[in-house]
Amino acid sequence: AQSVAQPEDQVNVAEGNPLTVKCTYSVSGNPYLFWYVQYPNRGLQFLLKYITGDNLVKGSYGFEAEFNKSQTSFHLKKPSALVSDSALYFCAVRRPFYGGSQGNLIFGKGTKLSVKP
Amino acid sequence: EAGVAQSPRYKIIEKRQSVAFWCNPISGHATLYWYQQILGQGPKLLIQFQNNGVVDDSQLPKDRFSAERLKGVDSTLKIQPAKLEDSAVYLCASSLDAGGQPQHFGDGTRLSIL
Repeated sequence: AQSVAQPEDQVNVAEGNPLTVKCTYSVSGNPYLFWYVQYPNRGLQFLLKYITGDNLVKGSYGFEAEFNKSQTSFHLKKPSALVSDSALYFCAVRRPFYGGSQGNLIFGKGTKLSVKP
Repeated sequence: EAGVAQSPRYKIIEKRQSVAFWCNPISGHATLYWYQQILGQGPKLLIQFQNNGVVDDSQLPKDRFSAERLKGVDSTLKIQPAKLEDSAVYLCASSLDAGGQPQHFGDGTRLSIL
């Protein structure tokens, strides 16, 4: 069965320091992986996706993610954190298009990122 | 482009009452999704439409939840009767197709059941 794990409930970082939000996945076949961000009382906003190609994917707001097939991981990173990056971050994997699935997303439980000045 | 619109933003009802949520997706987006997001959890898919047809409703509690997408544009999600455990944020999302295109989310409806 397909699944996504975000092992950290919360990540605390000082402004200006690099940040990493972890994600591991389990999926049959080649994975489609996504990161979304959610600010309080708002919907989810798309940050970046990996489908194929380079293992380092660049996205919005200076975020990037590294796909590691051997470790089945897709960690979100940013070289220098901003206070405004404080939010809830969700990793998601797309179900493959077989077995009755329509390729919709399975989300992790989310990681709260707190960036302090 | 205009984003995904949802209404109402907040709703408070008593258990056993009924409630309906409305969603207007981004123009031209064929795929529409309804998610339930319980506090402290990631969104869980309830139903997925492709144009005006249902393609996945495997996680929709069909004894109390229903949804439709008439004319392949707007959609409504209904709960009747509501239970305490239905307290959650209900998110609508749309995408150009069901492949690798990113989903665009509305701001959701926060439902509280008393």
